[in-house]
Amino acid sequence: AQSVTQLDSQVPVFEEAPVELRCNYSSSVSVYLFWYVQYPNQGLQLLLKYLSGSTLVESINGFEAEFNKSQTSFHLRKPSVHISDTAEYFCAVGNFNKFYFGSGTKLNVKP
Amino acid sequence: DAGITQSPRHKVTETGTPVTLRCHQTENHRYMYWYRQDPGHGLRLIHYSYGVKDTDKGEVSDGYSVSRSKTEDFLLTLESATSSQTSVYFCATLQDPDSGNTIYFGEGSWLTVV
Repeated sequence: AQSVTQLDSQVPVFEEAPVELRCNYSSSVSVYLFWYVQYPNQGLQLLLKYLSGSTLVESINGFEAEFNKSQTSFHLRKPSVHISDTAEYFCAVGNFNKFYFGSGTKLNVKP
Repeated sequence: DAGITQSPRHKVTETGTPVTLRCHQTENHRYMYWYRQDPGHGLRLIHYSYGVKDTDKGEVSDGYSVSRSKTEDFLLTLESATSSQTSVYFCATLQDPDSGNTIYFGEGSWLTVV
């Protein structure tokens, strides 16, 4: 089975500051990589995904993630965060019909 | 979104009673999943289905059973609820894994076992 490690359980950051949420996975085979966001009392929503091609993927709200095969990482970044980005973020690895999730990182954006 | 509806959304039940959670989807997706979410553990797979009447166990299946008699419905049953099963349960669907399609989630069912 795959394992997904999110290195930070909580990340506090001030508004308009940059942020990086780290994700590492264990796999020697091709996988699909995802970041999901969860707002309080809601389900998980897809933020962005990497299937193939360019190693840098972007979301519509300014987040980006870079696939690094040699380091088996898929870190999520945003150059300037907003209060509305406060949420929990989950990294996930997909292999055919199986999906494995990290334990989540709570991003707390302070004014 | 995959039109996923979970019911009930919130439930409080007593230890030892059976509980059934329902997941209904409108997109005709082949694969359906039940996850539980607990602090510090992220999402853990309970059971999944790859077609009508075709199901398999996930990593935390003990104490749970599932059934899928129709493409659109996937039921999760706690045979005899215990306090350790207090959790948030999420249903998810996947159309076709071959092309790396996205897994979509329902809004969650909050279950408290007292």
